[in-house]
Amino acid sequence: DAGVTQSPTHLIKTRGQHVTLRCSPISGHKSVSWYQQVLGQGPQFIFQYYEKEERGRGNFPDRFSARQFPNYSSELNVNALLLGDSALYLCASSPKSGYSYNEQFFGPGTRLTVL
Amino acid sequence: QQQVKQSPQSLIVQKGGISIINCAYENTAFDYFPWYQQFPGKGPALLIAIRPDVSEKKEGRFTISFNKSAKQFSLHIMDSQPGDSATYFCAATQGGSEKLVFGKGTKLTVNP
Repeated sequence: DAGVTQSPTHLIKTRGQHVTLRCSPISGHKSVSWYQQVLGQGPQFIFQYYEKEERGRGNFPDRFSARQFPNYSSELNVNALLLGDSALYLCASSPKSGYSYNEQFFGPGTRLTVL
Repeated sequence: QQQVKQSPQSLIVQKGGISIINCAYENTAFDYFPWYQQFPGKGPALLIAIRPDVSEKKEGRFTISFNKSAKQFSLHIMDSQPGDSATYFCAATQGGSEKLVFGKGTKLTVNP
């Protein structure tokens, strides 16, 4: 079975530009979460979507937005890019969202460099 | 505010030795504590996880020890192998939330 896939693998943008990152969850998984991992740090939670609805939001500015599609794939959008947005963006999927923790499976990430 | 503090930042161990990584948390509402392993160019992968109702969990060469009163937990890797060389992250979450709070990571190097 295919794992979580993310595209593109690498991306170079300049300050002020907009970027869209894409994620396809494991087949059958309905929950998708996004994390930002700055070099040398642990991942930081950005968003969680379940059944196309936002279920959680981390401490990130409004320049960050996301959505989930009917096939459970997801997009992360970042507007007005800053140098500090340079990071590895990770997508994770899990079967469901609920009261009992479900293992999250991470994709390989998209490496974003802002110049 | 760093809710999960991890140490050491880096660790060098000889093959066959024991690797120990420690984490401390602040939020007493946390009720699930996973450890992730990340190789360069890859996303984190779940190694082992524990809930606060047990003090220890072992899976193969990997053991989590949990001290609820001290709000600390640790990962022990027995008989460390060069293939274990990776970055390890502790994490925590609560109430079935998908929001994982990660430590800053420990880069483990196991020398042959």
